[in-house]
Amino acid sequence: DAKTTQPPSMDCAEGRAANLPCNHSTISGNEYVYWYRQIHSQGPQYIIHGLKNNETNEMASLIITEDRKSSTLILPHATLRDTAVYYCIVRGSNQGGKLIFGQGTELSVKP
Amino acid sequence: DAMVIQNPRYQVTQFGKPVTLSCSQTLNHNVMYWYQQKSSQAPKLLFHYYDKDFNNEADTPDNFQSRRPNTSFCFLDIRSPGLGDAAMYLCATRDASTDTQYFGPGTRLTVL
Repeated sequence: DAKTTQPPSMDCAEGRAANLPCNHSTISGNEYVYWYRQIHSQGPQYIIHGLKNNETNEMASLIITEDRKSSTLILPHATLRDTAVYYCIVRGSNQGGKLIFGQGTELSVKP
Repeated sequence: DAMVIQNPRYQVTQFGKPVTLSCSQTLNHNVMYWYQQKSSQAPKLLFHYYDKDFNNEADTPDNFQSRRPNTSFCFLDIRSPGLGDAAMYLCATRDASTDTQYFGPGTRLTVL
Protein backbone atom coordinates (compact mmCIF):
# COMPACT_ATOMS: atom_id res chain seq x y z
CA ASP A 1 0.00 0.00 0.00
CA ALA A 2 1.17 3.49 -0.78
CA LYS A 3 2.20 5.55 2.24
CA THR A 4 0.39 8.73 3.16
CA THR A 5 1.63 11.89 4.83
CA GLN A 6 -0.68 14.16 6.80
CA PRO A 7 -0.02 17.14 9.08
CA PRO A 8 -0.24 15.99 12.71
CA SER A 9 -2.68 18.69 13.73
CA MET A 10 -4.85 21.51 12.40
CA ASP A 11 -7.22 24.08 13.81
CA CYS A 12 -10.40 25.36 12.22
CA ALA A 13 -12.93 27.96 13.29
CA GLU A 14 -16.47 26.75 13.76
CA GLY A 15 -18.60 27.39 10.68
CA ARG A 16 -15.62 27.68 8.37
CA ALA A 17 -14.45 25.09 5.87
CA ALA A 18 -11.86 22.61 7.10
CA ASN A 19 -9.40 21.55 4.40
CA LEU A 20 -7.34 18.51 5.38
CA PRO A 21 -4.45 17.66 3.05
CA CYS A 22 -2.93 14.27 2.37
CA ASN A 23 0.13 13.40 0.29
CA HIS A 24 0.33 9.99 -1.37
CA SER A 25 3.03 10.46 -3.99
CA THR A 26 3.62 6.70 -4.48
CA ILE A 27 -0.03 5.85 -5.17
CA SER A 28 -0.51 3.35 -7.98
CA GLY A 29 -3.19 3.31 -10.63
CA ASN A 30 -5.59 0.91 -8.92
CA GLU A 31 -5.36 2.36 -5.43
CA TYR A 32 -8.20 4.30 -3.88
CA VAL A 33 -8.01 7.14 -1.36
CA TYR A 34 -10.13 6.60 1.75
CA TRP A 35 -10.89 8.96 4.60
CA TYR A 36 -12.02 7.88 8.04
CA ARG A 37 -12.27 9.88 11.23
CA GLN A 38 -12.15 8.92 14.87
CA ILE A 39 -13.83 11.02 17.49
CA HIS A 40 -12.28 10.65 20.92
CA SER A 41 -13.09 7.30 22.59
CA GLN A 42 -15.18 6.10 19.64
CA GLY A 43 -14.52 3.72 16.77
CA PRO A 44 -13.43 5.14 13.42
CA GLN A 45 -16.14 6.33 11.07
CA TYR A 46 -16.08 6.16 7.28
CA ILE A 47 -16.27 9.54 5.53
CA ILE A 48 -15.61 9.18 1.83
CA HIS A 49 -13.39 7.53 -0.77
CA GLY A 50 -12.41 8.03 -4.40
CA LEU A 51 -10.17 6.84 -7.20
CA LYS A 52 -9.48 9.84 -9.40
CA ASN A 53 -12.64 11.90 -9.70
CA ASN A 54 -13.70 14.34 -7.04
CA GLU A 55 -16.37 12.95 -4.76
CA THR A 56 -18.99 14.54 -2.55
CA ASN A 57 -21.42 13.13 -0.02
CA GLU A 58 -23.45 14.46 2.86
CA MET A 59 -20.41 14.57 5.12
CA ALA A 60 -17.59 15.94 2.99
CA SER A 61 -15.95 16.47 -0.38
CA LEU A 62 -12.82 14.76 -1.61
CA ILE A 63 -10.62 16.56 -4.09
CA ILE A 64 -7.92 14.44 -5.76
CA THR A 65 -5.24 16.14 -7.84
CA GLU A 66 -4.94 15.20 -11.48
CA ASP A 67 -1.68 13.34 -10.90
CA ARG A 68 -3.31 11.63 -7.89
CA LYS A 69 -0.29 12.34 -5.70
CA SER A 70 -2.29 14.29 -3.18
CA SER A 71 -5.83 14.89 -2.04
CA THR A 72 -7.82 17.20 0.20
CA LEU A 73 -10.77 16.37 2.40
CA ILE A 74 -13.13 19.31 2.76
CA LEU A 75 -15.65 19.69 5.57
CA PRO A 76 -17.64 22.64 4.22
CA HIS A 77 -19.00 24.02 7.50
CA ALA A 78 -17.06 22.58 10.41
CA THR A 79 -18.83 22.18 13.74
CA LEU A 80 -17.46 21.38 17.19
CA ARG A 81 -18.60 17.79 16.66
CA ASP A 82 -16.14 17.48 13.77
CA THR A 83 -13.24 17.61 16.22
CA ALA A 84 -11.52 14.27 15.63
CA VAL A 85 -8.49 12.51 14.18
CA TYR A 86 -8.82 12.24 10.41
CA TYR A 87 -7.09 9.36 8.64
CA CYS A 88 -6.20 9.32 4.96
CA ILE A 89 -5.61 5.75 3.73
CA VAL A 90 -4.57 4.50 0.32
CA ARG A 91 -5.53 0.97 -0.62
CA GLY A 92 -5.97 -1.20 -3.66
CA SER A 93 -9.32 -2.76 -4.40
CA ASN A 94 -7.88 -6.27 -4.32
CA GLN A 95 -6.42 -6.19 -0.83
CA GLY A 96 -9.22 -7.78 1.13
CA GLY A 97 -10.55 -4.49 2.36
CA LYS A 98 -7.72 -4.10 4.87
CA LEU A 99 -7.15 -0.61 6.23
CA ILE A 100 -3.63 0.36 7.24
CA PHE A 101 -3.96 3.49 9.37
CA GLY A 102 -1.26 6.15 9.47
CA GLN A 103 -1.00 8.71 12.24
CA GLY A 104 -3.71 11.00 10.87
CA THR A 105 -4.46 14.67 11.43
CA GLU A 106 -5.95 15.82 14.71
CA LEU A 107 -8.48 18.48 13.75
CA SER A 108 -9.62 20.86 16.46
CA VAL A 109 -12.68 22.94 15.65
CA LYS A 110 -12.79 25.99 17.87
CA PRO A 111 -15.74 28.29 18.67
CA ASP B 1 -30.51 0.39 13.79
CA ALA B 2 -28.12 -2.07 12.24
CA MET B 3 -24.79 -1.82 13.94
CA VAL B 4 -21.61 -3.31 15.34
CA ILE B 5 -21.79 -4.03 19.05
CA GLN B 6 -18.88 -4.70 21.36
CA ASN B 7 -19.15 -6.06 24.86
CA PRO B 8 -18.01 -5.16 27.34
CA ARG B 9 -17.00 -1.56 26.72
CA TYR B 10 -14.45 -1.76 29.52
CA GLN B 11 -12.64 -4.92 30.60
CA VAL B 12 -10.13 -5.34 33.39
CA THR B 13 -8.04 -8.48 33.63
CA GLN B 14 -5.01 -9.63 35.52
CA PHE B 15 -1.60 -10.24 34.06
CA GLY B 16 -1.61 -13.71 32.50
CA LYS B 17 -5.34 -14.34 32.97
CA PRO B 18 -7.10 -15.25 29.71
CA VAL B 19 -9.69 -12.80 28.50
CA THR B 20 -12.28 -12.84 25.71
CA LEU B 21 -13.72 -9.81 24.00
CA SER B 22 -16.87 -10.13 21.93
CA CYS B 23 -18.28 -8.45 18.88
CA SER B 24 -21.62 -8.87 17.19
CA GLN B 25 -23.15 -7.32 14.10
CA THR B 26 -26.62 -6.94 12.68
CA LEU B 27 -25.34 -5.83 9.27
CA ASN B 28 -24.93 -9.37 7.88
CA HIS B 29 -21.51 -8.50 6.45
CA ASN B 30 -19.20 -11.30 5.38
CA VAL B 31 -16.00 -9.70 6.60
CA MET B 32 -15.13 -8.91 10.20
CA TYR B 33 -11.92 -7.33 11.52
CA TRP B 34 -10.16 -6.92 14.84
CA TYR B 35 -7.90 -3.92 15.41
CA GLN B 36 -5.74 -3.00 18.38
CA GLN B 37 -5.30 0.67 19.23
CA LYS B 38 -2.83 1.65 21.91
CA SER B 39 -2.89 5.04 23.55
CA SER B 40 -2.15 7.91 21.15
CA GLN B 41 -1.58 5.50 18.27
CA ALA B 42 -3.52 4.61 15.15
CA PRO B 43 -5.56 1.39 14.96
CA LYS B 44 -3.51 -1.65 13.93
CA LEU B 45 -5.09 -4.62 12.18
CA LEU B 46 -4.69 -7.93 14.03
CA PHE B 47 -6.67 -10.30 11.80
CA HIS B 48 -9.86 -10.62 9.82
CA TYR B 49 -12.40 -13.19 8.72
CA TYR B 50 -13.89 -13.50 5.27
CA ASP B 51 -16.87 -15.67 6.15
CA LYS B 52 -15.14 -18.48 8.08
CA ASP B 53 -11.75 -17.98 6.43
CA PHE B 54 -9.32 -16.62 9.00
CA ASN B 55 -6.56 -14.22 7.89
CA ASN B 56 -3.85 -13.39 10.39
CA GLU B 57 -1.56 -10.39 10.00
CA ALA B 58 2.09 -11.43 9.91
CA ASP B 59 3.05 -9.47 13.00
CA THR B 60 0.10 -10.41 15.20
CA PRO B 61 1.45 -12.19 18.30
CA ASP B 62 0.45 -15.83 18.88
CA ASN B 63 -1.07 -14.70 22.16
CA PHE B 64 -4.00 -13.32 20.16
CA GLN B 65 -6.55 -15.67 18.68
CA SER B 66 -10.00 -15.33 17.26
CA ARG B 67 -13.16 -17.32 16.72
CA ARG B 68 -16.13 -16.69 14.48
CA PRO B 69 -18.87 -19.21 15.20
CA ASN B 70 -21.36 -17.60 12.82
CA THR B 71 -21.85 -14.52 10.63
CA SER B 72 -23.04 -12.36 13.50
CA PHE B 73 -20.43 -13.02 16.16
CA CYS B 74 -16.66 -12.77 16.42
CA PHE B 75 -14.47 -13.18 19.49
CA LEU B 76 -10.97 -12.04 20.34
CA ASP B 77 -9.14 -14.28 22.80
CA ILE B 78 -5.99 -13.11 24.55
CA ARG B 79 -4.44 -16.22 26.07
CA SER B 80 -2.00 -14.61 28.50
CA PRO B 81 -2.40 -10.84 28.61
CA GLY B 82 0.67 -8.81 29.32
CA LEU B 83 0.88 -5.20 30.41
CA GLY B 84 1.67 -4.27 26.83
CA ASP B 85 -1.67 -5.62 25.66
CA ALA B 86 -3.58 -2.85 27.40
CA ALA B 87 -5.34 -1.06 24.57
CA MET B 88 -8.63 -0.31 22.87
CA TYR B 89 -9.78 -3.26 20.78
CA LEU B 90 -11.94 -2.36 17.81
CA CYS B 91 -14.17 -4.67 15.83
CA ALA B 92 -15.30 -3.75 12.33
CA THR B 93 -17.32 -5.19 9.48
CA ARG B 94 -17.07 -4.47 5.79
CA ASP B 95 -19.83 -3.75 3.33
CA ALA B 96 -18.48 -5.22 0.11
CA SER B 97 -20.97 -3.34 -2.06
CA THR B 98 -19.74 0.08 -0.93
CA ASP B 99 -16.28 -1.01 0.27
CA THR B 100 -16.71 0.73 3.60
CA GLN B 101 -15.95 -0.50 7.10
CA TYR B 102 -18.25 -0.05 10.05
CA PHE B 103 -16.60 0.05 13.45
CA GLY B 104 -17.92 -0.79 16.86
CA PRO B 105 -17.32 1.52 19.82
CA GLY B 106 -14.41 -0.58 21.05
CA THR B 107 -13.52 -2.40 24.25
CA ARG B 108 -10.90 -0.76 26.43
CA LEU B 109 -8.77 -3.45 28.06
CA THR B 110 -6.83 -2.78 31.23
CA VAL B 111 -4.25 -5.33 32.43
CA LEU B 112 -3.32 -5.19 36.10
